Amino acid sequence: EDKVVQSPLSLVVHEGDTVTLNCSYEVTNFRSLLWYKQEKKAPTFLFMLTSSGIEKKSGRLSSILDKKELFSILNITATQTGDSAVYLCAVVRGTASKLTFGTGTRLQVTL
Amino acid sequence: NAGVTQTPKFQVLKTGQSMTLQCAQDMNHEYMSWYRQDPGMGLRLIHYSVGAGITDQGEVPNGYNVSRSTTEDFPLRLLSAAPSQTSVYFCASSSGTGTGEQYFGPGTRLTVT
Repeated sequence: EDKVVQSPLSLVVHEGDTVTLNCSYEVTNFRSLLWYKQEKKAPTFLFMLTSSGIEKKSGRLSSILDKKELFSILNITATQTGDSAVYLCAVVRGTASKLTFGTGTRLQVTL
Repeated sequence: NAGVTQTPKFQVLKTGQSMTLQCAQDMNHEYMSWYRQDPGMGLRLIHYSVGAGITDQGEVPNGYNVSRSTTEDFPLRLLSAAPSQTSVYFCASSSGTGTGEQYFGPGTRLTVT
């Protein structure tokens, strides 16, 4: 059975801290891994990772994929209160581009 | 471009009623899908379509029907609503290039009493 597991389930940090969110997966016909940010509405796209070892970066956020060990991490440096959200990891599998989501990591950034 | 649109935003149904959640996209995307999101469960795939006239089941298809008569529209039908179908429903689309970046609609919050 295809599985995507995210950890931790939730965490609370102070503004300015650096956080690392984890996503491990066991799926058939892996194509890519996606990270989304979800506030009180629809998920918004952050990164798409298809190759091992190549870091994707956008401002204070970065992500990397390890296809041998079957995991990805999402790093957020110098966190801000606006980073408070649920971060979702999803794996794209098969030719039909089906997504399997993890349950998400709820991040709360406090002042 | 409006992107992915969904209607209605909110809906309350009584057990046994039927209804259709509407989803449309104007990006000429081949791939469209429906997810439900429940607390602690993440998003789960209900049904998906890889093009007009082609649909298939996802992880949790029971109690839902779909059809895809046009590239733009992908409605989700609840045949006989049950309280277990209380959830937030998201429609998504992608260009179907294979790597799967998907664009989500704003969601429909459905309550079945």
